[in-house]
Amino acid sequence: ETGVTQSPTHLIKTRGQQVTLRCSSQSGHNTVSWYQQALGQGPQFIFQYYREEENGRGNFPPRFSGLQFPNYSSELNVNALELDDSALYLCASSLPLGRGAASEAFFGQGTRLTVV
Amino acid sequence: AQKITQTQPGMFVQEKEAVTLDCTYDTSDQSYGLFWYKQPSSGEMIFLIYQGSYDEQNATEGRYSLNFQKARKSANLVISASQLGDSAMYFCAMRDQTRETSYDKVIFGPGTSLSVIP
Repeated sequence: ETGVTQSPTHLIKTRGQQVTLRCSSQSGHNTVSWYQQALGQGPQFIFQYYREEENGRGNFPPRFSGLQFPNYSSELNVNALELDDSALYLCASSLPLGRGAASEAFFGQGTRLTVV
Repeated sequence: AQKITQTQPGMFVQEKEAVTLDCTYDTSDQSYGLFWYKQPSSGEMIFLIYQGSYDEQNATEGRYSLNFQKARKSANLVISASQLGDSAMYFCAMRDQTRETSYDKVIFGPGTSLSVIP
């Protein structure tokens, strides 16, 4: 196990609703990234949080937003859900660049979101 | 733009045999990190092995080894002595370690589905 935990594991929402996904990072990791993985594809970077601020974003609209808390846990919020938002959402925690021997990102088990 | 290519959508290997999963990448950066992750049907992305762009030796982790050919921009994963539990999706990924960027992200390839046959 990586020490990164996500909740909930599964979720079903209706189009137009809002959803909040949660992630607890591995101990000592102050950088959290979120990824969206559609069925049959590789994960796509949504955004990254470092020291409670968003410091990078991929090609996702503003209705995807997030938070990071002082204990480095994080939330991903998605407003006005669309059918195409159905995917596995992965959270990854890591050390900042240059501070890890391997600098790998540790992933949680993901939240599987279905929008109907 | 950085890109990861995995040309094998699906692979089969006999139990106890070795298998090579291909990965090529494209980047203009001089400093980068390459990773392989395993994703079983449960969904969790499991870190397998890492290769830094300046590492002179190929990385090895138990039954996993990375065949790194920098000039060809390839980073193939070799799994020796395949086991039934190795059946999963395998993703090659790259992390931008350029210090000029304010953040780093991991770029994933499309993945290769590996099936180990008894």
